[in-house]
Amino acid sequence: AQKVTQAQTEISVVEKEDVTLDCVYETRDTTYYLFWYKQPPSGELVFLIRRNSFDEQNEISGRYSWNFQKSTSSFNFTITASQVVDSAVYFCALRSGNTPLVFGKGTRLSVIA
Amino acid sequence: NAGVMQNPRHLVRRRGQEARLRCSPMKGHSHVYWYRQLPEEGLKFMVYLQKENIIDESGMPKERFSAEFPKEGPSILRIQQVVRGDSAAYFCASSRTGQGLLSNEKLFFGSGTQLSVL
Repeated sequence: AQKVTQAQTEISVVEKEDVTLDCVYETRDTTYYLFWYKQPPSGELVFLIRRNSFDEQNEISGRYSWNFQKSTSSFNFTITASQVVDSAVYFCALRSGNTPLVFGKGTRLSVIA
Repeated sequence: NAGVMQNPRHLVRRRGQEARLRCSPMKGHSHVYWYRQLPEEGLKFMVYLQKENIIDESGMPKERFSAEFPKEGPSILRIQQVVRGDSAAYFCASSRTGQGLLSNEKLFFGSGTQLSVL
């Protein structure tokens, strides 16, 4: 069965601090895709990144970076120099085989000025 | 900017009434997915539809809930005889291609419908 675990329910940081959001996944498939979505207070879901299981290269996009490690089944997300606008709930998600996109429970990030 | 459109944004119903949630996918997308988000929970898959077909309804409650995606018009998620436990945010997503081993397309989500049952 597919499963995504985001152990951190809530995180609070002071502006300009770095913060890492953890994501651990479970799947028996060898081909799968991992995603991160952001849900700001307005409620919509904003796509951040998609990564397939054959590409373990880490990715950086501005202040965002992702660390994918198959050995530990983790796909962690780091925000560098956090800003108040980063305050949101962040969801990690997994798609494999013909199963629907499976979401973790999310991590609520609060960035305090 | 024709993203995934959901309406209404907020819907209030009394127990026993019917709720109809509408979702218009992005232009060119023929695959629609419905998810439910309970307070402080992640999104739970409900149903996946292609035009005029239900492909996967494994996450749909067996009673009172139904979904359709007609040839013309939006996808509709219908909840009959709503109860307080149905209160949640319902999200619709769409994609150009369907789920499958070779599909890595991201889903585009709407802004959701917040259903409140009094």
